[in-house]
Amino acid sequence: NAGVTQTPKFQVLKTGQSMTLQCAQDMNHNSMYWYRQDPGMGLRLIYYSASEGTTDKGEVPNGYNVSRLNKREFSLRLESAAPSQTSVYFCATRTGPKNTEAFFGQGTRLTVV
Amino acid sequence: DAKTTQPNSMESNEEEPVHLPCNHSTISGTDYIHWYRQLPSQGPEYVIHGLTSNVNNRMASLAIAEDRKSSTLILHRATLRDAAVYYCILISNFGNEKLTFGTGTRLTIIP
Repeated sequence: NAGVTQTPKFQVLKTGQSMTLQCAQDMNHNSMYWYRQDPGMGLRLIYYSASEGTTDKGEVPNGYNVSRLNKREFSLRLESAAPSQTSVYFCATRTGPKNTEAFFGQGTRLTVV
Repeated sequence: DAKTTQPNSMESNEEEPVHLPCNHSTISGTDYIHWYRQLPSQGPEYVIHGLTSNVNNRMASLAIAEDRKSSTLILHRATLRDAAVYYCILISNFGNEKLTFGTGTRLTIIP
């Protein structure tokens, strides 16, 4: 049982390049989330998806797009990477009701040079 | 969204109890109090949650004030492996599925 799987684990991009971070879960959860964590900082919500086919902006959505392909997968795309997007990206999943816990992936460490 | 306030950092000696405070003065009646922790170089993990009553599990205890405006995560006997950032967050039983974290408390365990 893999839980929440993020790929890749590490990535280096040049400024202006694009890439997609993948997240897949095998827990049949409805809600999925993307966060970024800058060095020494807390987690900031980028986008979330309450169910298949729906997505909503979080606290820091600019520069990102997301796609909830199906119930299992939630991808995060950087169309034109910038050095300010250097961060560790975490995917999380959760199911209802609201008192249930969230499960996180191990993160993707992205460096934009 | 109701906010939480936590100290930026705390220190504790190994094998002693640790009390991590969290203030949430604007909490609503349907907000659950959740605690997560993030070990170095890992994603956050769930610790415990509660609504009104104190809660215990194998990892920790959660003490909730009678007016629910504050709570305390209690690690009964800290070990070096408990060194982490601890996040206190509120999750409403109504509304959208948005899940936001603050900056948390960085707990250092002194051997």
